Amino acid sequence: DARVTQTPRHKVTEMGQEVTMRCQPILGHNTVFWYRQTMMQGLELLAYFRNRAPLDDSGMPKDRFSAEMPDATLATLKIQPSEPRDSAVYFCASGLVSGSEQYFGPGTRLTVT
Amino acid sequence: DAKTTQPPSMDCAEGRAANLPCNHSTISGNEYVYWYRQIHSQGPQYIIHGLKNNETNEMASLIITEDRKSSTLILPHATLRDTAVYYCIVRARNGGTSYGKLTFGQGTILTVHP
Repeated sequence: DARVTQTPRHKVTEMGQEVTMRCQPILGHNTVFWYRQTMMQGLELLAYFRNRAPLDDSGMPKDRFSAEMPDATLATLKIQPSEPRDSAVYFCASGLVSGSEQYFGPGTRLTVT
Repeated sequence: DAKTTQPPSMDCAEGRAANLPCNHSTISGNEYVYWYRQIHSQGPQYIIHGLKNNETNEMASLIITEDRKSSTLILPHATLRDTAVYYCIVRARNGGTSYGKLTFGQGTILTVHP
């Protein structure tokens, strides 16, 4: 049963620290998405990749967030420096360009104090 | 992508059909209707999608009106495990940099009770 995996599942850090979240998309999927979910804003798309190339990161605060895909099996989302307002659940999803569905991971719950 | 409107919450008795409405009056001809759901503390899960014909899979049925301005997701025999937030999303078809993007609204909180 292929699944998207995300690590860590929970992260508590202090303001100003660097945070790195990792995602392993389903093998063979060629699109990867990063979403953020908060009570106030709901689910928001931060960035997405097609064939490892960033296609759209307009939802991401550029000054502190960065997203990369060093290879087809790993996507990373970094926040540096982190702020309390970054506290949220971050979801990674993968899919096929030719497909219809996105498969979501279990999320990383980030708390910045 | 076209905007959708859903009721904020609905209740359903276990074993009965749950009918979740969605209004997408500004949908354009190249846009699909998608449904996802999110069970508490989990990532969203794809349910079904359609363009203009009714669709059915092992999870649900999707009924799209002839003018495509609204649709209904039907869970034929709701169980307690179907309690979740249900999102109706309109998304463009293949092509372009916007392909694949999902814009989530607030969704409908469906509560299935015994």
